[in-house]
Amino acid sequence: DTAVSQTPKYLVTQMGNDKSIKCEQNLGHDTMYWYKQDSKKFLKIMFSYNNKELIINETVPNRFSPKSPDKAHLNLHINSLELGDSAVYFCASSQINEQFFGPGTRLTVL
Amino acid sequence: QQQVKQSPQSLIVQKGGISIINCAYENTAFDYFPWYQQFPGKGPALLIAIRPDVSEKKEGRFTISFNKSAKQFSLHIMDSQPGDSATYFCAALTGNTPLVFGKGTRLSVIA
Repeated sequence: DTAVSQTPKYLVTQMGNDKSIKCEQNLGHDTMYWYKQDSKKFLKIMFSYNNKELIINETVPNRFSPKSPDKAHLNLHINSLELGDSAVYFCASSQINEQFFGPGTRLTVL
Repeated sequence: QQQVKQSPQSLIVQKGGISIINCAYENTAFDYFPWYQQFPGKGPALLIAIRPDVSEKKEGRFTISFNKSAKQFSLHIMDSQPGDSATYFCAALTGNTPLVFGKGTRLSVIA
């Protein structure tokens, strides 16, 4: 059983489009995150949710909107995609300290 | 401001050798220091972690050394194997906050 799953694994789209990435965790964790990994492999937090509530919103354009329909899901919707949004996006979940990462979604904006 | 500095950026080690990756942090509120291993096309996976109340933690071939006064910690991989070739990230956090990552070290173990 996959602990943290993301769909899709690959996403190729044109500039200006709107797209969503879905994340689900079956670990029963209260806290979920979205991280962005750029072309140089640097990992940076984007959002943090605890029990469906937004806790942390780093300096991310408001074109990015996370949504947590329940504790097990945290989706990421991106409006008006730009070339600079191309990256790998990782979902993660945690209970106490230890964070488990999903397999990532590689987003390519053309 | 980079809160966790990691070095080296890349490392080549002979099979059977010792791989050493170093990290330094700035925020003294950090209380949990994990190392993550990432293979190409995969998400980061927790390898080993330490809290600041101990100076060393060992799990199999992997050891974390922690120096609280110097605000530094390092990962040692003993008897390095080609299967250890991956990107390694040190990180830090306090409580249930998001991880603050170092910039990563690409390790290549050659036979």
